[in-house]
Formats: sequence, C-alpha cells, structure tokens
Amino acid sequence: DAKTTQPTSMDCAEGRAANLPCNHSTISGNEYVYWYRQIHSQGPQYIIHGLKNNETNEMASLIITEDRKSSTLILPHATLRDTAVYYCIVALYNQGGKLIFGQGTELSVKP
Amino acid sequence: NAGVMQNPRHLVRRRGQEARLRCSPMKGHSHVYWYRQLPEEGLKFMVYLQKENIIDESGMPKERFSAEFPKEGPSILRIQQVVRGDSAAYFCASSPDRDSTDTQYFGPGTRLTVL
Repeated sequence: DAKTTQPTSMDCAEGRAANLPCNHSTISGNEYVYWYRQIHSQGPQYIIHGLKNNETNEMASLIITEDRKSSTLILPHATLRDTAVYYCIVALYNQGGKLIFGQGTELSVKP
Repeated sequence: NAGVMQNPRHLVRRRGQEARLRCSPMKGHSHVYWYRQLPEEGLKFMVYLQKENIIDESGMPKERFSAEFPKEGPSILRIQQVVRGDSAAYFCASSPDRDSTDTQYFGPGTRLTVL
C-alpha cells in the first residue's frame, strides 16, 4: 500500500499557483519525497524530490514540513498542459527499488 | 540524450499468444523497472532488474510472466499465453548507477490489448 495520502482531485485556474498537498506521516528518516505526474496515460514524468529542505527546479517547488509528515508541491503558474494526475511517493534514495504509486491527485487546470 | 524507449507502443494479441515488450533504458542507465497500469487503476510495480540480474520480482505474477535484461540489448518483458486480464499499459523506467541521482525516468509505455 502507498505510504502517502493525497486529495482525489483539485481544480486550479490557469495562471494561478497550484498547491498540491501530500501526507506521509509514517515516513522514515532516510526516505525521500518524490513527485511524479502522468498526463493522460503517458508515461509518468519526474517532477522533483527532496529529503527535508525545500527544493525548487524549473518545473516546481517542493515544501516539506519540519516534522516531514507532509509536503506540498507548488506549480507557480499553472497552464492547461499541467492538467494531469500528480503522485506523491516516499522512497529510499540511492538504493534502487520500486516506487509505490497511490491514486494521486487529479489536477484540472481551467481557463 | 534520448529518453527511455519502449516498443512496440501498441500490441494486439489473441488469447493464448505470447507478448514481448521491449525497453531500452536511457544512455548510462543500468537499472530497469517494469510497471503495469490496468485500465482505470494506478501503476503497480512488477520487477526491478540490473544487467543480467533480477533484483526484485515481488510484483510479478507467479505464472506466465518473465523479464530479462541481458548484457547486450534491451530489457524484455515476456507474457506467455496471454489472457484478457493482461490488457494494460506496461511502463518501463530506468535509473543510473548508484553514485548519482536515483530518480527513475519512464518510457511512453506499451499498450497491450488481448482479444
């Protein structure tokens, strides 16, 4: 079973920030938080990952709470092409192994 | 740098036939993962391979399914005697060696339809 919980769906207006929450209350000290998205049955696309510090790349920002029990993925200026299912996954880093996908959050960006 | 490549992109088989799905990892990646996505369901891990070795096959069905990643050539997911319940999208992912990022990068998938 997935070790994360996410809202089933969310809406966001085009051009606004999309904030996608994720709870991972049982995360262990050496597990990272990964975010992927899947656009309409395409292959999942890596977005970002982090351990405890906030992270930012060209796609998104990842905010992890101090106790690491939850995190938020931020798409700063959502576009229609960001409509997808977003998956929050906790996994060990640098040790290989499977990713356990939950149901994810279906984000709909609307004009 | 080309991404993960999978072929064929679409595969149609009749019940009882064999299906062979191929995955070429990204250049410099020696770790391959296979996942399956049944219609209207999430992605489920099947198997994790390194060159010539199966590391974790905990998600593989016990019968009819096998996977390999030979020293040369692509990784192959083989399904023998396919049944309608095997109809799904099969995704391959690859990751580099352990001394760099462990991120898995996914291919576009093979959509298997069993008639």
